[in-house]
Amino acid sequence: NAGVTQTPKFQVLKTGQSMTLQCAQDMNHNSMYWYRQDPGMGLRLIYYSASEGTTDKGEVPNGYNVSRLNKREFSLRLESAAPSQTSVYFCASSRSRSGNTIYFGEGSWLTVV
Amino acid sequence: GESVGLHLPTLSVQEGDNSIINCAYSNSASDYFIWYKQESGKGPQFIIDIRSNMDKRQGQRVTVLLNKTVKHLSLQIAATQPGDSAVYFCAESLMNRDDKIIFGKGTRLHILP
Repeated sequence: NAGVTQTPKFQVLKTGQSMTLQCAQDMNHNSMYWYRQDPGMGLRLIYYSASEGTTDKGEVPNGYNVSRLNKREFSLRLESAAPSQTSVYFCASSRSRSGNTIYFGEGSWLTVV
Repeated sequence: GESVGLHLPTLSVQEGDNSIINCAYSNSASDYFIWYKQESGKGPQFIIDIRSNMDKRQGQRVTVLLNKTVKHLSLQIAATQPGDSAVYFCAESLMNRDDKIIFGKGTRLHILP
């Protein structure tokens, strides 16, 4: 009963380094999302994928890229990390993009120094 | 990993009492509303949702009330337990656009023994 699984849980990066956050869901959901959560702010959408093969920018896409590898997996890449990208990242999925429950992963704590 | 939830409003409730957490939403066109619970170090967890054609919806120990006139949403938790300690936040969206969900900043619920 895994749901949404994301790795790594914690990561420290130096400014300019790159890394990829991995996410997989086992609920056969069509839509997947990447959010970031910062102190005192609500979750903000970085990128989403309405279905396999499609990706779209969300509210805060700058500095990130995504890949919807297949229906199960949706990765988030930081090509050149910046301190402003220090945050908690959540992957999520839903059955479709129309009024369905969104299920979240456990989060990835990223610190850029 | 405790970097989320700083400077949030806090509601302190005696164990066994009922809790009422309030949320004001922003878009009068929003027609789908969700409450999430987020425990320390974990991802948001779906609690209950309500569509705009309803004023009230009940789940197990939780009730959501929707007042569209004043754009207000509330979550009532009956017989609050220690395990209810968490940050609770509401979200609003248009039912056909899960990529346009707006998440609130949240309220921390603290249970007094």
